[in-house]
Amino acid sequence: QQPVQSPQAVILREGEDAVINCSSSKALYSVHWYRQKHGEAPVFLMILLKGGEQKGHEKISASFNEKKQQSSLYLTASQLSYSGTYFCGTERGAQKLVFGQGTRLTINP
Amino acid sequence: DGGITQSPKYLFRKEGQNVTLSCEQNLNHDAMYWYRQDPGQGLRLIYYSQIVNDFQKGDIAEGYSVSREKKESFPLTVTSAQKNPTAFYLCASTGQVDQPQHFGDGTRLSIL
Repeated sequence: QQPVQSPQAVILREGEDAVINCSSSKALYSVHWYRQKHGEAPVFLMILLKGGEQKGHEKISASFNEKKQQSSLYLTASQLSYSGTYFCGTERGAQKLVFGQGTRLTINP
Repeated sequence: DGGITQSPKYLFRKEGQNVTLSCEQNLNHDAMYWYRQDPGQGLRLIYYSQIVNDFQKGDIAEGYSVSREKKESFPLTVTSAQKNPTAFYLCASTGQVDQPQHFGDGTRLSIL
């Protein structure tokens, strides 16, 4: 089952914060987060492997709530370079991922 | 530098024609994947391979075929049976379980 991301799109001014959610109707064992610029390959951001795990990468961090079957990506004090489409991917066995439909983030000066 | 190389970057297909997209990796990864991405959409799995000489269908395998004769290579053929091939195709690979997938730069396929 494809995870559901929300919101589908968000527009921010530089320096503002954003939260992107990834929810699944099935139990989550791990969540991957990627960012894709238009016409380019997705770039890996982070993996969360355990329920309750939180990770940070510069001003981008994420949490994983196993009970709620949800992961959230937090972007703090956004920069222009954060613009792109963010995808979550959930593990479904045999090293396969199923990706959400993406959240398009636009950062304006 | 290790990575994944996809070629060509752009490809045009005539009606009734089969075309092959190349994917090569030098990361020594066992698992490789092919995804299709349509405008404004997520990534959908076409085929994947966890080991040489073995591969499995993904969610949208109809009209596509693959081979895995070498660990480094996982070519995708878009056959004439795929009636709507226009899309962005991405190849990825990964090492051990719970490791990130590394993506190539993609091939954009269009119909002439």
